[in-house]
Amino acid sequence: GAVVSQHPSWVICKSGTSVKIECRSLDFQATTMFWYRQFPKQSLMLMATSNEGSKATYEQGVEKDKFLINHASLTLSTLTVTSAHPEDSSFYICSAIRTGVLGLWTGELFFGEGSRLTVL
Amino acid sequence: GNSVTQMEGPVTLSEEAFLTINCTYTATGYPSLFWYVQYPGEGLQLLLKATKADDKGSNKGFEATYRKETTSFHLEKGSVQVSDSAVYFCALRGGTSYGKLTFGQGTILTVHP
Repeated sequence: GAVVSQHPSWVICKSGTSVKIECRSLDFQATTMFWYRQFPKQSLMLMATSNEGSKATYEQGVEKDKFLINHASLTLSTLTVTSAHPEDSSFYICSAIRTGVLGLWTGELFFGEGSRLTVL
Repeated sequence: GNSVTQMEGPVTLSEEAFLTINCTYTATGYPSLFWYVQYPGEGLQLLLKATKADDKGSNKGFEATYRKETTSFHLEKGSVQVSDSAVYFCALRGGTSYGKLTFGQGTILTVHP
């Protein structure tokens, strides 16, 4: 079946550094991907919609300059947490829409395994 | 806006026990409802879904019925197994959301032999 893979699965960084998380669709083209953030014991919160070849659409309250999203190819979206601080520590999850003929959504949505970021 | 409320966990059961995880939602229009499961070290996987009122989604012995009158989508399984231990997320998608999901907070289920 379709697989979405995230890398790295966990990362520890120092405060003030930037961290990049990759989300790849392994056997299908994903023109649209979503980035979620999950705090402990809380639900997944949608951060942004990533569209191949265009700017990401951010949800209200999400700093676009803080969380840079690039969707440069049909199989890869990246989330870069810039100048990370301890409050950015979280579990980041991506999902990808599978499209079929004519680029129409098949209704299938696949999730990556998540990336845990810890900022010291 | 849309919201999903799940019963808090963790839930701990013995094998073959009956499972219910409550889920209620708030949404405008006619959302689609989902249950996702996340096994340790893996991504979220769709467990079942229902797209309109009174629909029953079912998979792997799990069931959930879309109840519009009570705005609920409770997950049930008659006899759980150790392999069902995972985190379960209730979610909804609004009619025009094109893949955007609103999630509940997740419920950790642990099943003991």
